[in-house]
Amino acid sequence: GAVVSQHPSWVICKSGTSVKIECRSLDFQATTMFWYRQFPKQSLMLMATSNEGSKATYEQGVEKDKFLINHASLTLSTLTVTSAHPEDSSFYICSAPIAGWDGELFFGEGSRLTVL
Amino acid sequence: GENVEQHPSTLSVQEGDSAVIKCTYSDSASNYFPWYKQELGKGPQLIIDIRSNVGEKKDQRIAVTLNKTAKHFSLHITETQPEDSAVYFCAASILTGGGNKLTFGTGTQLKVEL
Repeated sequence: GAVVSQHPSWVICKSGTSVKIECRSLDFQATTMFWYRQFPKQSLMLMATSNEGSKATYEQGVEKDKFLINHASLTLSTLTVTSAHPEDSSFYICSAPIAGWDGELFFGEGSRLTVL
Repeated sequence: GENVEQHPSTLSVQEGDSAVIKCTYSDSASNYFPWYKQELGKGPQLIIDIRSNVGEKKDQRIAVTLNKTAKHFSLHITETQPEDSAVYFCAASILTGGGNKLTFGTGTQLKVEL
């Protein structure tokens, strides 16, 4: 099946710094990618929809200036957590459907962010 | 928006027994219902999905049933094995032709005991 790769798989940073997480579709094109956040023992919550060539769409309550999303190509979306604080510590997961295909979303392996 | 409820939150079964996880959804327009298995520290993996034009789908030991009228769907795992132990999430969405926003249930921690 299609593969979505995330990098880094884990990152530790100091409070106040910014962290960038990459999401790549390795063998298919993705005009849309979705970013989720998952706190320990909780469900996945959609943060934003990343659209290639246009602005991301953020879910209610998600600060767009805090979580910068860029979808620069048909295979790459990035999520930058700006001025990270301990409460931003979480598991961030991206997913992507194959462009033009209605159905299965392919998920990355996730990126665990720990802010000290 | 869509709201998906999932029960139970934890489920322990003996190896070889069946496990059933149930979900309900609120938006009658939802037409795509996937189930994901998530192991610790990893991303979710699709194990089976069903669309609203069918009532049941089976893949070896895994089956999903859908009742559109009642707006609920269930995951059935037969002959459970220790490697089935994981967190399972149901989800619902409306297929829009080029990507769909999934709403996830709250998850079920399944433990298969020897």
